[in-house]
Amino acid sequence: AQSVTQPDIHITVSEGASLELRCNYSYGATPYLFWYVQSPGQGLQLLLKYFSGDTLVQGIKGFEAEFKRSQSSFNLRKPSVHWSDAAEYFCASNRDSWGKLQFGAGTQVVVTP
Amino acid sequence: EAGVTQFPSHSVIEKGQTVTLRCDPISGHDNLYWYRRVMGKEIKFLLHFVKESKQDESGMPNNRFLAERTGGTYSTLKVQPAELEDSGVYFCASSREGGGDTQYFGPGTRLTVL
Repeated sequence: AQSVTQPDIHITVSEGASLELRCNYSYGATPYLFWYVQSPGQGLQLLLKYFSGDTLVQGIKGFEAEFKRSQSSFNLRKPSVHWSDAAEYFCASNRDSWGKLQFGAGTQVVVTP
Repeated sequence: EAGVTQFPSHSVIEKGQTVTLRCDPISGHDNLYWYRRVMGKEIKFLLHFVKESKQDESGMPNNRFLAERTGGTYSTLKVQPAELEDSGVYFCASSREGGGDTQYFGPGTRLTVL
């Protein structure tokens, strides 16, 4: 069965430190891959997406993600986190031509001073 | 451009009652999706409209859930009668195209069934 896995339910990081959130997918072929963020009281906001081509994708808010086919991974990174990055992050994918998204369980990021 | 809006933001009802959730997509977006997050679980797809037609309703849990999109504009999701396990956050998203086009999400409706 197709699935998206986010191994880390909760991550605590100090402000100014780097952040990496893990995402693995299991599909026969490369799906479309997405990272969304949900801040408290807000809807999900798209950070970045990967379809094909360059495996390093730049997104909004200083985030980037790298697609690694050999590892079936699409990890999200940020070199230096800000307190405003505290939120829940979701990895998602679709192989459906109509756009049905499949989500990972989410990773809650806490930023400490 | 206004984003996706959902109403109400919160709803608390008793088991057996009926609740209707509403979603207003971004103007011009033909594709409208409903998703649900039950506490402690991942966000799951419920159904997809293209204009007023249901393209995919494979994620609808059972026949207590009824979704409509009359005229291809706003959509409603009715739960009748509500059960305890229906509690969760219901998200609506819209996109101009299907496939890999960006889906814009609303803030969600938090439904609590007591």
